[in-house]
Amino acid sequence: ETGVTQSPTHLIKTRGQQVTLRCSSQSGHNTVSWYQQALGQGPQFIFQYYREEENGRGNFPPRFSGLQFPNYSSELNVNALELDDSALYLCASSLGGTSVPYEQYFGPGTRLTVT
Amino acid sequence: AQKVTQAQTEISVVEKEDVTLDCVYETRDTTYYLFWYKQPPSGELVFLIRRNSFDEQNEISGRYSWNFQKSTSSFNFTITASQVVDSAVYFCALRGSNTGNQFYFGTGTSLTVIP
Repeated sequence: ETGVTQSPTHLIKTRGQQVTLRCSSQSGHNTVSWYQQALGQGPQFIFQYYREEENGRGNFPPRFSGLQFPNYSSELNVNALELDDSALYLCASSLGGTSVPYEQYFGPGTRLTVT
Repeated sequence: AQKVTQAQTEISVVEKEDVTLDCVYETRDTTYYLFWYKQPPSGELVFLIRRNSFDEQNEISGRYSWNFQKSTSSFNFTITASQVVDSAVYFCALRGSNTGNQFYFGTGTSLTVIP
């Protein structure tokens, strides 16, 4: 069984640029959630995708957008990067479609630095 | 509003000591779910346990145990006979039944086990 993978591992961008982060979900999982984790903080929920549709969103501006593909892999896109976007971005996959939340399995994250 | 508080920012113990990590949560949902995750230095969050609000039975798994008390809105985590490999940041998380699949994480407790 393949775990959650994310790419790239590290990324350095300049303020105002755009970035795309990628996530492959664990085999058999149909739901992907994205989190932003600033240094010394807990993960903050960005949004969740279930069967290619956005299925919940946290308090993040529209310049944070996402996609989920038929194979349940996902992308997180961030436009007009700001210095405060520097963080560890975590992807988590799980089973979805029920009222009871299954546990989420996290990838190793992408460390984004905005200069 | 949903909120998780982990008041202990950092804890240091000597190997073989027992340690309890506190978690206090706030929610207005009658049905909710609580989780504990471990984040080692590698950065990948590791799922430890899920507890449903309607099941207050405490749980033990090896050296780990969890004490869920709805009366005090707490879900504390105890490690018995701590080991150096337990050194990590531990996060408590909450998902309500009416929060659009959003997980709310605490700020984490950094545990250092000294050999």
